[in-house]
Amino acid sequence: DQQVKQNSPSLSVQEGRISILNCDYTNSMFDYFLWYKKYPAEGPTFLISISSIKDKNEDGRFTVFLNKSAKHLSLHIVPSQPGDSAVYFCAASADSSNTGKLIFGQGTTLQVKP
Amino acid sequence: NAGVMQNPRHLVRRRGQEARLRCSPMKGHSHVYWYRQLPEEGLKFMVYLQKENIIDESGMPKERFSAEFPKEGPSILRIQQVVRGDSAAYFCASSVDRGYGYTFGSGTRLTVV
Repeated sequence: DQQVKQNSPSLSVQEGRISILNCDYTNSMFDYFLWYKKYPAEGPTFLISISSIKDKNEDGRFTVFLNKSAKHLSLHIVPSQPGDSAVYFCAASADSSNTGKLIFGQGTTLQVKP
Repeated sequence: NAGVMQNPRHLVRRRGQEARLRCSPMKGHSHVYWYRQLPEEGLKFMVYLQKENIIDESGMPKERFSAEFPKEGPSILRIQQVVRGDSAAYFCASSVDRGYGYTFGSGTRLTVV
């Protein structure tokens, strides 16, 4: 039962353009969402998060949008840089457990071409 | 200020052997999480521990897998009688308190031959 889905395994964009990574979820109890970035042979690194009481959170070049009615979130990277090339995971949590347990999507590999 | 340290980085075991994966959390962190990433999949939660306590082990397979986080020393994820399906990357994360602000280690890549 895949509660968090990233339906695009890969995405390729030109340097300077916008990258949009998408994520869908099925569990309406999720109330906190995160994006992680992962380089090969390294652990995931936290990028940005959003609470379910918000619909947008911005941090520099990274913006996360949340559409609760559609159970959909997206990560926008503007402008994209070659160093952004990595695997991006979205993750979700339900506060009811309060253990910090995260449910991850399968990941999307982003390639930013110079 | 060292990050989360996992060792070994790579571990090769024959079927039926035991695998021990170690995780030293960041200084001052007393909460440890273990995740597993199978090939072509996302990370799957395994277990959440505090010092000397298992808080949530809902993601641990029922047999052969165990985890501990003793008062002194690293957290250990132990897999007995490994099978080929255990081949994966195992990531540990730590935090200063329960919640979502945790830091991942670089992982241990287990290969069962």
